[in-house]
Amino acid sequence: AQKITQTQPGMFVQEKEAVTLDCTYDTSDQSYGLFWYKQPSSGEMIFLIYQGSYDEQNATEGRYSLNFQKARKSANLVISASQLGDSAMYFCAMRGRYNFNKFYFGSGTKLNVKP
Amino acid sequence: DTEVTQTPKHLVMGMTNKKSLKCEQHMGHRAMYWYKQKAKKPPELMFVYSYEKLSINESVPSRFSPECPNSSLLNLHLHALQPEDSALYLCASSPYNELDTQYFGPGTRLTVL
Repeated sequence: AQKITQTQPGMFVQEKEAVTLDCTYDTSDQSYGLFWYKQPSSGEMIFLIYQGSYDEQNATEGRYSLNFQKARKSANLVISASQLGDSAMYFCAMRGRYNFNKFYFGSGTKLNVKP
Repeated sequence: DTEVTQTPKHLVMGMTNKKSLKCEQHMGHRAMYWYKQKAKKPPELMFVYSYEKLSINESVPSRFSPECPNSSLLNLHLHALQPEDSALYLCASSPYNELDTQYFGPGTRLTVL
């Protein structure tokens, strides 16, 4: 079975500082994808970044990077130089080869960026 | 273009009404999803269509009826809903492999009176 765990229900960060949102996962699949999504109060789920299980390099997309530690089964999201617009819910998700039509979501982390 | 569109954006309905939610994508994705999301919770999977066939139904009550008329369209027909069905309904689509993300529409905020 697949499982995603996000242990930080809420976090605060000062504007312009970096912040790390934690995500651990459990799967018996050898091939899987890990994803982060941002959900502002408007409700739309915005895809941020992706890491494949076979990727050796950590993924980066602008101010977002994914700290992938396969042996520890962790896929933490790092946001550099936080902006007020980064205040939102963040969900970690995974999709595996077995039953790959399903995405498994963590419980989410509410990030608040303080001016 | 990674756009998934959903209509309507907001919907208020009574418990005896029949309404439909619509979702459309033109990315050639062969998997399409309906999710229900309550406030401050992760999306909860309802249905998955793969190549226009229903592949997953997460034991959703029959008052929700999905339909996939073609590879670009996904509908969710609503009938005799309960107030606890009030939620954000998200549609998503994805390519058909485990290493690709899914793309979400903006959602429909449903209120059942």
